Amino acid sequence: SAVISQKPSRDICQRGTSLTIQCQVDSQVTMMFWYRQQPGQSLTLIATANQGSEATYESGFVIDKFPISRPNLTFSTLTVSNLSPEDSSIYLCSVEESGPTGFGPGTRLTVT
Amino acid sequence: AQSVTQLDSHVSVSEGTPVLLRCNYSSSYSPSLFWYVQHPNKGLQLLLKYTSAATLVKGINGFEAEFKKSETSFHLTKPSAHMSDAAEYFCLINTGTASKLTFGTGTRLQVTL
Repeated sequence: SAVISQKPSRDICQRGTSLTIQCQVDSQVTMMFWYRQQPGQSLTLIATANQGSEATYESGFVIDKFPISRPNLTFSTLTVSNLSPEDSSIYLCSVEESGPTGFGPGTRLTVT
Repeated sequence: AQSVTQLDSHVSVSEGTPVLLRCNYSSSYSPSLFWYVQHPNKGLQLLLKYTSAATLVKGINGFEAEFKKSETSFHLTKPSAHMSDAAEYFCLINTGTASKLTFGTGTRLQVTL
């Protein structure tokens, strides 16, 4: 299965700023997915990132707040913009490879 | 729309006793179902997955799950709990052709001596 890495592993940011999270996969994949896990909660899909097209966002998530890039088949970034304490979460990426196989290690974001 | 319901938010068992974590699903077509485990401050780890092959699926660490279409269930079991099994467990369903995953709300497994 694909090996997924994320950067940074954690960060502490001030409100009003932005954080860009990188997701790197060791093989080419068609679809990449971004999830959010708020404290004590389950995971929620934010968006699907397709190479060569705009990301597809789930209900409740918008591009202005969570812009996504997918420049090639092994890499994607998620930016969390205009941070507020409510954005404090773990953000994870996942890939499709003959069906979902795994998740990145996650990025733990704390907004102060 | 596809969904999963984890019937217990918290399960407590004694070490050496069986584990049963319940998951029911709703799907308009034959789903793919998964169980993941998340240890404290650790990433998600795939335990097992069902993708329309054998209905009894064996996973890592002695866990298994049985897909029962008549009951729309995919319960996770283990014959004998170990202290290291204490973690959060998530049941997931594949939602459509895009391979998006919908998570259940999670079950926290506590293992006591």
